[in-house]
Amino acid sequence: QKEVEQNSGPLSVPEGAIASLNCTYSDRGSQSFFWYRQYSGKSPELIMFIYSNGDKEDGRFTAQLNKASQYVSLLIRDSQPSDSATYLCAVNNAGNMLTFGGGTRLMVKP
Amino acid sequence: GAVVSQHPSWVICKSGTSVKIECRSLDFQATTMFWYRQFPKQSLMLMATSNEGSKATYEQGVEKDKFLINHASLTLSTLTVTSAHPEDSSFYICSARDRTSGGAGQYFGPGTRLTVT
Repeated sequence: QKEVEQNSGPLSVPEGAIASLNCTYSDRGSQSFFWYRQYSGKSPELIMFIYSNGDKEDGRFTAQLNKASQYVSLLIRDSQPSDSATYLCAVNNAGNMLTFGGGTRLMVKP
Repeated sequence: GAVVSQHPSWVICKSGTSVKIECRSLDFQATTMFWYRQFPKQSLMLMATSNEGSKATYEQGVEKDKFLINHASLTLSTLTVTSAHPEDSSFYICSARDRTSGGAGQYFGPGTRLTVT
C-alpha cells in the first residue's frame, strides 16, 4: 500500500464548478499536509498547507484535513481552465520528510 | 520569498559525458535540499536528500557514484550526472527546505530537462 494515495484522474469539471481533490495517507504520525500544483512540463508549486483538523481557506482554495480518517482534500471553487494541472498531495511525516502522492490530473473545461 | 533557482533549465549532452546541475536558494538558507527525477507522465521520484556539509542520503535504487551530490553551502547544492546515458534523460527538480520555517514544506526549483543523445 502506498503511503500517500491519490486518484490519478483525470477529473473533469466544467468551468465555474467546484473541483474536489482527495488524498489519503497511511502514517498516523503525519503532522503537516501540503497541496502542490504542477503544470505540464513545469515543477510543482506550493498552493496550501494545513496542520490542524478542519478547513483552511485561501482565496478560491480550501484545504480540509481529517486526521482520524487520514484524509486531506483540496476544494477549488469557481474552477477556471487555468486551474487545469496535476495536483500533488504531500505529507510530512515524523521524520520531517515529505512523501508525495502520485497526483490527480484536473481538467477544467470551458 | 522562498525562491529556488536551477541552472541550466535544459541541457543536451552526448552519451558518456557528465552534466552538472546547480540548485540555489535565493532568499533563504536551506539546511536540506532534495533532488527529484520525473519521467513523462509519472510522479516525482525522490533521488536523494542532502544536508549542508554532510554526505547525501540516497534513495534505494539510486546509484550514488553515478549521481554525485554536493551541498557545500546553505544556499547551493549540485547534482552531477556522471557518464550519462540516454536512459538518464529526464526532468530533474531540486527543492529546498527553509531552515527558519520549521519544516513547513519544500520549495521547488523550476527544474532541469536533461536529454542524453
